[in-house]
Amino acid sequence: DIVMTQSPATLSVSLGERATLSCRASQSVRSNLAWYQQKPGQAPRLLIYGASTRATGIPARFSGTGSGTEFTLIISSLQSEDFAVYYCQQYDDWPLFGQGTKLEI
Amino acid sequence: QVQLVQSGAEVKKPGASVKISCKASGFTFNSFYMHWVRQAPGQGLEWMGRINPSGTSSSYAQQFRGTVTMTRDTSTNTVYMELRSLTSDDTAVYFCATKKGLDGSNYFEYWGQGTLVNVSS
Repeated sequence: DIVMTQSPATLSVSLGERATLSCRASQSVRSNLAWYQQKPGQAPRLLIYGASTRATGIPARFSGTGSGTEFTLIISSLQSEDFAVYYCQQYDDWPLFGQGTKLEI
Repeated sequence: QVQLVQSGAEVKKPGASVKISCKASGFTFNSFYMHWVRQAPGQGLEWMGRINPSGTSSSYAQQFRGTVTMTRDTSTNTVYMELRSLTSDDTAVYFCATKKGLDGSNYFEYWGQGTLVNVSS
């Protein structure tokens, strides 16, 4: 079975700084990787699919890279509304989420 | 615009069943798969399964086989998820989720608002 591992569990970053979140798959998922943002009490929001394609309406400061087993979500200049939990999800097999990275100020 | 509206919160006793609905609007109902994802308090996201556009076929995650059933009413654009033999471990927020198109890519661009199921004696 595929295992998805996100790191770090918590990332502390200042406003305006760059944040780099990592996601690793235990076996290749090709480019079948999505990223989501979730705020307390809300449903997740799709940010990236196909490892690097921004979803509709997602600001350009969000970017995704990677393929195979190593993936990265970069938020280039953090805004106050970006502080949330971020999940990666592979869909090369049946969907499986990583455990999440909490992005805090 | 695309909307998924779920039924309200539920409180159930251990051993009982719960059936949650998800009503879709704003897009062609029979052109997409509907998935269910749950989130226990303070925990991550867990995919439960999906039902096909016509409602004739479902696929469930291994840990839910035998306890979950997903159905679909195309006349009302509504999908249902029934979970049986509830335990306290089933206390969670349950989301329906989908994306447009039938390309087989199982990521989720649209989500319901979530339904809290609280299992307590």
